[in-house]
This record gives sequence, structure tokens and C-alpha cells, in this order.
Amino acid sequence: NAGVMQNPRHLVRRRGQEARLRCSPMKGHSHVYWYRQLPEEGLKFMVYLQKENIIDESGMPKERFSAEFPKEGPSILRIQQVVRGDSAAYFCASSPGGTVNEKLFFGSGTQLSVL
Amino acid sequence: GENVEQHPSTLSVQEGDSAVIKCTYSDSASNYFPWYKQELGKRPQLIIDIRSNVGEKKDQRIAVTLNKTAKHFSLHITETQPEDSAVYFCAASMSNTGKLIFGQGTTLQVKP
Repeated sequence: NAGVMQNPRHLVRRRGQEARLRCSPMKGHSHVYWYRQLPEEGLKFMVYLQKENIIDESGMPKERFSAEFPKEGPSILRIQQVVRGDSAAYFCASSPGGTVNEKLFFGSGTQLSVL
Repeated sequence: GENVEQHPSTLSVQEGDSAVIKCTYSDSASNYFPWYKQELGKRPQLIIDIRSNVGEKKDQRIAVTLNKTAKHFSLHITETQPEDSAVYFCAASMSNTGKLIFGQGTTLQVKP
């Protein structure tokens, strides 16, 4: 079991460009969560998805940010027109769902740097 | 919404001593409390968790206690080792959701 896979590990973008972060959940997991971590801070919930459905996006900024988890392929977190304040580590986590839906396993994260 | 406060922000102990990290939460509906360890530049890793129907849980050198009335929970690490040095995060959520509210983290340094 390869665990939660995220890519790229590091992503550099200039202001105004788009950033696409990918996440493949652990085998057998159908629930995906995205969290953002600013330097020396805790993780902040962004969005919770199941296949083809957004369940909870209460932590997502209203503009420029979107997420999807298609029937086939990884979950994508997309940030349009990036700004310097978007620089952070973005972690994806997956869970099996069901009665242990809260037991999250995190990926290694994508460090986004906006120049 | 839920808010989780974590103290201390930094903790330095001598190898072999015990370390205690405390968290308080605001939402009495929260009933799942995990602890994550994050080494520099790495992913957060679940080290122990507790549900609200249990007051204490232990796994080797790590234990977690929960006081539902006071809405606080604590991580206890005994016989600390240098490899325990990391940032530790507490979190809270309602059961059956992975929407965790994290504390601000505690940087633990274990001096050899």
C-alpha cells in the first residue's frame, strides 16, 4: 500500500499563474480531505470530497480555489491567479469512510511557493 | 464553530523525562480527539487517538487523557527519546467526519 500520494512535492508559481495539486488516496479509501498549513501554524481544513461529490467546502476561500475528485483519477486542488499569500504546504488526507471516517492518513504534501 | 487551543507552543525536556501537552476545545459536540506528530518537512502522522466514551488510552510510552466536563485533553510521553523531537498537533472533530480542527502545535525538543 503506497499510502496517500501527492504531487508535485514542490511547486513554484509566479503571481497570476495557476497551481494544480494532485492527490491519490490510499487504496480502498474513497474520502479525500485537503488541508493547508502556513509556516509554523497548524493545519486548516479546506474541503472534503468523495468521488464526484463535494461534501464540505466550508474551509475553501470563496474565490480562486476549487477542488474535484473525479470518478477516475486523483483529486485535484486548483488555485487560479495565485498570490503570495497562497504560499503554504497543502496536505491531502484520505480515510476509509464508514465508521472510521475520521481516521485520516496524510500525504507528504505539496509546498507551493508563489514568487 | 469549534476552536482548539494548544499549550505550550514549545517544550524542551531532557532525555528520559516526561512531556505533557495540553489542549482545550470549545464545541461540546466534539467526540474524537487525535494527536499527530510532524517531523520537519514531513507529513503529519497519527500517533494516538481517543473517543469521548473513553477517559484514557495508552500505547507504550504514549498516553492520552480526556476530561469531557472540562473540555480538555492531554498527551503524555514518558521516557522521552531524541527521536520524539517533532511538532505535535492535537485535533478535535465530531465522529464520522475527517474535518479536524487542529491546535496550533507544540514543538518538542528532547535533549540527549
